[in-house]
Amino acid sequence: DVKVTQSSRYLVKRTGEKVFLECVQDMDHENMFWYRQDPGLGLRLIYFSYDVKMKEKGDIPEGYSVSREKKERFSLILESASTNQTSMYLCASSAYRIAEAFFGQGTRLTVV
Amino acid sequence: LAKTTQPISMDSYEGQEVNITCSHNNIATNDYITWYQQFPSQGPRFIIQGYKTKVTNEVASLFIPADRKSSTLSLPRVSLSDTAVYYCLVAPPGAGGYNKLIFGAGTRLAVHP
Repeated sequence: DVKVTQSSRYLVKRTGEKVFLECVQDMDHENMFWYRQDPGLGLRLIYFSYDVKMKEKGDIPEGYSVSREKKERFSLILESASTNQTSMYLCASSAYRIAEAFFGQGTRLTVV
Repeated sequence: LAKTTQPISMDSYEGQEVNITCSHNNIATNDYITWYQQFPSQGPRFIIQGYKTKVTNEVASLFIPADRKSSTLSLPRVSLSDTAVYYCLVAPPGAGGYNKLIFGAGTRLAVHP
């Protein structure tokens, strides 16, 4: 079974902190994604990566950056956390059939 | 972008077959149709994907008419554990389709005893 593991299930951070969300997949997938999900807004793509060190901005990249130094790991960085970044963050990976993605269990981040 | 339209919510009872239809009138020639299931506080789970006609796996069937402007996810004999949100997506294979993986509002299915 494909496994996508996110480093934390729940996280509480203070406004202004730099926050790292880590995601690891074990299926040698080329593609990795970071989404956030908010009530009434659905899932929104933050960043996409199709290879090591390669990335594309999604719909809402502002306030976020990403790092992919190894194929299996994709990190989401909140440069200076703000309360409007309180959300559920979901990481996913896929092979060539990009829409056949496997999601992690999510990280519920609260910024206070 | 191929916009998808699906019902906001549906209700069913245990043991019934549930059919959720998704409309995607401007689907492109190389687009595939994909369905996901999401339980509360979990990430979406891939259910099934198809290009045309019918696809079946151990979880569901996907019916796609010849014009591909709609698709129907069929869940046979649902149980309470099938209560979830179901998303229909339309996107091409390959990394170039990354920005087409749009999860809309989905269909909230409630299965009653």
